[in-house]
Amino acid sequence: NAGVTQTPKFQVLKTGQSMTLQCAQDMNHEYMSWYRQDPGMGLRLIHYSVGAGITDQGEVPNGYNVSRSTTEDFPLRLLSAAPSQTSVYFCASSSHIYGYTFGSGTRLTVV
Amino acid sequence: EDKVVQSPLSLVVHEGDTVTLNCSYEVTNFRSLLWYKQEKKAPTFLFMLTSSGIEKKSGRLSSILDKKELFSILNITATQTGDSAIYLCAVEAVVGGGADGLTFGKGTHLIIQP
Repeated sequence: NAGVTQTPKFQVLKTGQSMTLQCAQDMNHEYMSWYRQDPGMGLRLIHYSVGAGITDQGEVPNGYNVSRSTTEDFPLRLLSAAPSQTSVYFCASSSHIYGYTFGSGTRLTVV
Repeated sequence: EDKVVQSPLSLVVHEGDTVTLNCSYEVTNFRSLLWYKQEKKAPTFLFMLTSSGIEKKSGRLSSILDKKELFSILNITATQTGDSAIYLCAVEAVVGGGADGLTFGKGTHLIIQP
């Protein structure tokens, strides 16, 4: 039982490049979400999904897109990377009974 | 706007001490409050407190939720160096009958000295 799997673990991008952070869960959770963690800021919600085909914006959605074509997968797309998007990104899924399970994170640096 | 405030932001104690971490919140349509421990990687789940479960205990860790005064505390007794971590408090709200994601506090950085 893998839980929540995020790839890649590390990534360096040049300003203006695009990329997709992958997130997959095998717990059959309906609810999935993406957060970014910056020093001194805690975790902030980027986008979330309450089920396949349904997504919504969180606190800091600008510059990011998501889609949810299956229950298992919830990729996060950076359209045109900016240095301000340098951060650690966490994906989470939830059953609302046992709390949220987080992936191991992706450390992204935009130069 | 939902808001979660944790205090203190950092705390240094000696092994064996008892610590109390605080979390206050302002959330519309509160659903639950969660505590996480974060070492070098992903946050790991400690407790979830809801209207139907306002006190939880696991070993040396315990937590209570005061829904009237809108705060929660996390207690750690007989602290060990392995308790050194960032402790995160988060609240979950409900929008339209579904979850609205987590709003996190900035965390308390706890350091346990031998």
